[in-house]
Amino acid sequence: GENVEQHPSTLSVQEGDSAVIKCTYSDSASNYFPWYKQELGKGPQLIIDIRSNVGEKKDQRIAVTLNKTAKHFSLHITETQPEDSAVYFCAASTVTGKLIFGQGTTLQVKP
Amino acid sequence: EPEVTQTPSHQVTQMGQEVILRCVPISNHLYFYWYRQILGQKVEFLVSFYNNEISEKSEIFDDQFSVERPDGSNFTLKIRSTKLEDSAMYFCASRGTGWSYTFGSGTRLTVV
Repeated sequence: GENVEQHPSTLSVQEGDSAVIKCTYSDSASNYFPWYKQELGKGPQLIIDIRSNVGEKKDQRIAVTLNKTAKHFSLHITETQPEDSAVYFCAASTVTGKLIFGQGTTLQVKP
Repeated sequence: EPEVTQTPSHQVTQMGQEVILRCVPISNHLYFYWYRQILGQKVEFLVSFYNNEISEKSEIFDDQFSVERPDGSNFTLKIRSTKLEDSAMYFCASRGTGWSYTFGSGTRLTVV
């Protein structure tokens, strides 16, 4: 069935270091891959997304890479700051438009 | 920036009672969704709604659940007879013709 696996479940980095979160998906028809940041008590906030016809996308300190053959996509955050601390979710669309979410990664950036 | 608005932010209800969670999606969006997140777990799809009807629903969305878009602006999720395991954050989301979703801030439902 449709599934998205996300790793690691927790990630602790020093301020200024890079953080990488990885996801794999099962549905080869998925063509849209968003990443969300969720702060305590709030809804998921889109931080970056990528369509299947693109291999990489960058927005300032955040980048996403997609390997369609391997069904992998990753979030890269460079020069991490304490305000980057949050739960990050990857997701993959299905052909019907719903999103299948990964399990989430709790990122802690230590000052 | 346009927002998806959800009310109430927190709802406490007794087991067996009916609850209605309300959402105002972005005005020119066409697709509407409900997702839920049990504490500490992943966000799960419940139902999608397009052109005034349900387009897809998950196994979670059983006969106790229903959705409505009664007046062209609100989008509601009703749970007829709440169970303890319905306790979760419920997120409404909408999207237009593109793929990008906008999520609301959620309603925390606590069933006691």
